[in-house]
Amino acid sequence: DQQVKQNSPSLSVQEGRISILNCDYTNSMFDYFLWYKKYPAEGPTFLISISSIKDKNEDGRFTVFLNKSAKHLSLHIVPSQPGDSAVYFCAASSSLGDNFNKFYFGSGTKLNVKP
Amino acid sequence: EPEVTQTPSHQVTQMGQEVILRCVPISNHLYFYWYRQILGQKVEFLVSFYNNEISEKSEIFDDQFSVERPDGSNFTLKIRSTKLEDSAMYFCASRRTVNKRDQPQHFGDGTRLSIL
Repeated sequence: DQQVKQNSPSLSVQEGRISILNCDYTNSMFDYFLWYKKYPAEGPTFLISISSIKDKNEDGRFTVFLNKSAKHLSLHIVPSQPGDSAVYFCAASSSLGDNFNKFYFGSGTKLNVKP
Repeated sequence: EPEVTQTPSHQVTQMGQEVILRCVPISNHLYFYWYRQILGQKVEFLVSFYNNEISEKSEIFDDQFSVERPDGSNFTLKIRSTKLEDSAMYFCASRRTVNKRDQPQHFGDGTRLSIL
């Protein structure tokens, strides 16, 4: 069941540069997408979300882009900071029926921001 | 900021024993979840719970698993007869949503379950 895929297990970026994390999904019924950040020994922390009526949502240094036709979303972090080093998970759900309660997670991308 | 709390942070149990993982969701949240993450793998949905009953469960959530909200604050996951493959991080999450469906789930820091 790989409805949400993060094909890059890791990404290394220089401090101050842009980090771009990618996520693909297969279920066209998904209409709500989220990014979570996870530090070791902690639970996932909600970062930013986007619903399918938009193609972009921005919150400070974090911007999520959604391309529905390509079933692709990305998270941009600008500028990247060493404290951003963590594992980033994308997740998706559908608001149709009862499935809005169930989030499907990608396998995560480990971001390393080098000072 | 209110948060989801989970206890214990680490549980070590002999195979075949019962284990109960505890969670206190955010107080005004109505939907509760358990996820697990086996080391090196993705976060997997186990079960969602609303209005004192299971609303959805995955194929992982078989008869050895059960959930309960015994009082107004705790939400528990019980594994009846643990197996080695139950070793994982177990995350509890909660979500406010009443009418608005596009709201995030908020996670606790997890319980690391080690089965010997």
